[in-house]
Amino acid sequence: AQSVTQPDIHITVSEGASLELRCNYSYGATPYLFWYVQSPGQGLQLLLKYFSGDTLVQGIKGFEAEFKRSQSSFNLRKPSVHWSDAAEYFCAVGSGGSNYKLTFGKGTLLTVNP
Amino acid sequence: DADVTQTPRNRITKTGKRIMLECSQTKGHDRMYWYRQDPGLGLRLIYYSFDVKDINKGEISDGYSVSRQAQAKFSLSLESAIPNQTALYFCATSDPAGGYSSYNEQFFGPGTRLTVL
Repeated sequence: AQSVTQPDIHITVSEGASLELRCNYSYGATPYLFWYVQSPGQGLQLLLKYFSGDTLVQGIKGFEAEFKRSQSSFNLRKPSVHWSDAAEYFCAVGSGGSNYKLTFGKGTLLTVNP
Repeated sequence: DADVTQTPRNRITKTGKRIMLECSQTKGHDRMYWYRQDPGLGLRLIYYSFDVKDINKGEISDGYSVSRQAQAKFSLSLESAIPNQTALYFCATSDPAGGYSSYNEQFFGPGTRLTVL
């Protein structure tokens, strides 16, 4: 069965600092990987996704993520965090084949200090 | 207008009451999902539907039922609500017809915050 681990429950960074949110997945085949963001009181918005090809993927709002098969990781990065990035971030892995489902990690809450 | 809408956005109810949460979408997607979100637990899948005649249980379906009234509508019911069903509920859609890279991408509604007293 597929699974996702986000080791950091809560991260605090200063505005302008760099950010890396960790995600490790477990899946037997080539994974479909996603990062979603949930702002306070909002639904989930897709930041970026990886299916194949270039292992460094670019997303919206200046985020990027790198797929590392050898480490079963898909970490999210941003070079300079803005106060508006404060939110909860979810990594998810999708199954292939005909049974398309997403399994989510438990989320990482990002606090941005001024 | 939002592509995926949920009603109500907030609901407070009492133990034992029946309650229905509704989801509508204008994206034309065949696949729809219901999740619940609890602090520290992420999103967990309750039910999913790949078309009007295909409904499947997710990992936490006990105490819930669903109805797919049309391609665009997918309702979640709590037949007899209990306090541990207090949570934030999300509806989502996906479209495998959108091509290989779209298979797993899901689009979420704004959520319904349900409180069971």
